[in-house]
Amino acid sequence: NAGVTQTPKFRILKIGQSMTLQCAQDMNHNYMYWYRQDPGMGLKLIYYSVGAGITDKGEVPNGYNVSRSTTEDFPLRLELAAPSQTSVYFCASSRDAGGTQYFGPGTRLLVL
Amino acid sequence: RKEVEQDPGPFNVPEGATVAFNCTYSNSASQSFFWYRQDCRKEPKLLMSVYSSGNEDGRFTAQLNRASQYISLLIRDSKLSDSATYLCVVNPDSSYKLIFGSGTRLLVRP
Repeated sequence: NAGVTQTPKFRILKIGQSMTLQCAQDMNHNYMYWYRQDPGMGLKLIYYSVGAGITDKGEVPNGYNVSRSTTEDFPLRLELAAPSQTSVYFCASSRDAGGTQYFGPGTRLLVL
Repeated sequence: RKEVEQDPGPFNVPEGATVAFNCTYSNSASQSFFWYRQDCRKEPKLLMSVYSSGNEDGRFTAQLNRASQYISLLIRDSKLSDSATYLCVVNPDSSYKLIFGSGTRLLVRP
């Protein structure tokens, strides 16, 4: 099992550009999450999904969009990148609500 | 008040030392609790769940004090490889949501 995979590992964007962060899991988990982690800060939930076709906003959704067309994939879309979106983005999945979350290796994003 | 608060550290200890971290949470109805470990520039990984009666996993012991709303992590016989950031994590309402603390950094020196 690969677990949770994320691509790309690192990306530099110019202000106003858009990109999609990819996330996939092969554990057949229903729950998937996107977090951002700023230096010295805790993880902030951006969006989450409880199953294919169902997504909802987390704590900091502004500037982002998600979709969940399959159980395996949960891409995060950044539209009109801003310097405030410079961060490390982690995707995670869990079998149960509130249960152990398994994280991908992260995507480091720099917006200049 | 933050939902989950931790001392950021760093805690700088010699190999073989015993070190303890505390974490406080604000929601008295919180249901489940975890400690995650995050190495530098890596993803968080579950270290252990925290049970009401306290639990031990090798050199690691976790305790929960519901009355005072804190959880603790004790590491005995510290190893160099224990150097990492330890994240306190709380599930406030048995939903999907986990609240992550900012972490406590541990440095174990030779």
